[in-house]
Amino acid sequence: SYELTQPPSVSVSPGQTARITCSGDALPKQYAYWYQQKPGQAPVLVIYKDSERPSGIPERFSGSSSGTTVTLTISGVQAEDEADYYCQSADSSGTLGVFGTGTKVTVL
Amino acid sequence: EVQLVESGGGLVKPGGSLRLSCAASGFTFSSYSMNWVRQAPGKGLEWVSSISSSSSYIYYADSVKGRFTISRDNAKNSLYLQMNSLRAEDTAVYYCARGGRIGSYLDWFDPWGQGTLVTVSS
Repeated sequence: SYELTQPPSVSVSPGQTARITCSGDALPKQYAYWYQQKPGQAPVLVIYKDSERPSGIPERFSGSSSGTTVTLTISGVQAEDEADYYCQSADSSGTLGVFGTGTKVTVL
Repeated sequence: EVQLVESGGGLVKPGGSLRLSCAASGFTFSSYSMNWVRQAPGKGLEWVSSISSSSSYIYYADSVKGRFTISRDNAKNSLYLQMNSLRAEDTAVYYCARGGRIGSYLDWFDPWGQGTLVTVSS
């Protein structure tokens, strides 16, 4: 089965930059999407189509893609950004959805 | 305001069945694909199933194929997940989520409902 791999955790001080990677063989062919999930809440979309930001999402959230890796960058991290982050995509055939393993962002 | 409200969760014995519903409002339901995603307690997100706007395309995760059936009723603005032969490992919060773009499927999920808890235990 197809998998997307993320680091389990990222720690960052307030005001610094957090980068979360997501790796998968089909990423050169399929878009990636990113979600933020806080405890007890449903996930919220923060990036779509690799690098597009939905309305209402702060500009400090950005996405990029290079080969088999996509990256979510949070610039000028704030305490409220502490959450779990998941990437999501599809397999190369576009018939199986998949989520990344998830990354817990801790703001020190 | 776009709203998705799941219902139908609860406690069921292994081997049992359950039908989840997702009531949609605030958008043209018949124009969007819909999805089910689950999250086991303390675990990550797992994609379960997707259905296109007209039900022409339906996809399942390998872990539920042959046991779960996704369907929708565009006249009732509702999405369903029929779950049969339930196992302990199906215990999770089940979220419904709208597809990202009109007419597409298996793209991004936005927004999400608040979820309904399914517990499979004897």
